[in-house]
Amino acid sequence: GAGVSQTPSNKVTEKGKYVELRCDPISGHTALYWYRQSLGQGPEFLIYFQGTGAADDSGLPNDRFFAVRPEGSVSTLKIQRTERGDSAVYLCASSLLGGSSGEQFFGPGTRLTVL
Amino acid sequence: EDQVTQSPEALRLQEGESSSLNCSYTVSGLRGLFWYRQDPGKGPEFLFTLYSAGEEKEKERLKATLTKKESFLHITAPKPEDSATYLCAVQASNQGGKLIFGQGTELSVKP
Repeated sequence: GAGVSQTPSNKVTEKGKYVELRCDPISGHTALYWYRQSLGQGPEFLIYFQGTGAADDSGLPNDRFFAVRPEGSVSTLKIQRTERGDSAVYLCASSLLGGSSGEQFFGPGTRLTVL
Repeated sequence: EDQVTQSPEALRLQEGESSSLNCSYTVSGLRGLFWYRQDPGKGPEFLFTLYSAGEEKEKERLKATLTKKESFLHITAPKPEDSATYLCAVQASNQGGKLIFGQGTELSVKP
C-alpha cells in the first residue's frame, strides 16, 4: 500500500504570508504526527493527533502555527505570518494505533523556504 | 529533561570496515528507542525498535543493542549503499507518542 504522502514537496513563500502543508497518512493509521527538521538536526516534535483531536500540541512554537485533522485522516499544518526562521523541512508521520504503541512511518517532507 | 545525544556527528568508513554508532539518552521512563535511516531529501525510514535493556535486533548488516543509558548501532562490513544519516529517537512512557530525536550521525562509506 501507499506510504505517507505530503504536498507540496517544496514551498517558497515571502515573509508574512500564510501557508498550508498537507499530509495524507497511511490508510487505517489512527495517529498522525508533525515534526520540523532544520538542516543538520534531528526532527523536532510539533503536534500529535489521535483520530480527529490533537492529543499533544506542546511542540507548536507559537500561536502562528495551527494544525487540523477534521475527518481523522488527512491533516493540514497551517502557518500564519511566516517568518524566515520558519524555514525547515516539515515532516509528517503516522502510526497504526498511536500513543506509545508502534512505529511511526514518515513521509518525504515539505521543504518550506521563507524569503 | 528528556534528551538524546548521538556520536560521532559524522563517520567515514571504507567499504568492509565495521564500526558502531552511539546514542546516549536520558528519559523519564523509556517506552521505546527507535533507529531510523534518512537519505538526503527524504523522510526517515524506520529500522528498529528496542524496548528493554539487553534487547538486540538485526537487519542485514545492522545490529542495534540497548542498555539503560545508551544504544549502539553496529554496522558490519558496510557497503557504499549504507551511506546515510542514522537517527536515534526515544519515546517516554509519560509523554504519549512523540519521539525525541538526536541530531543524527552522518555515515559515509567509500568503495
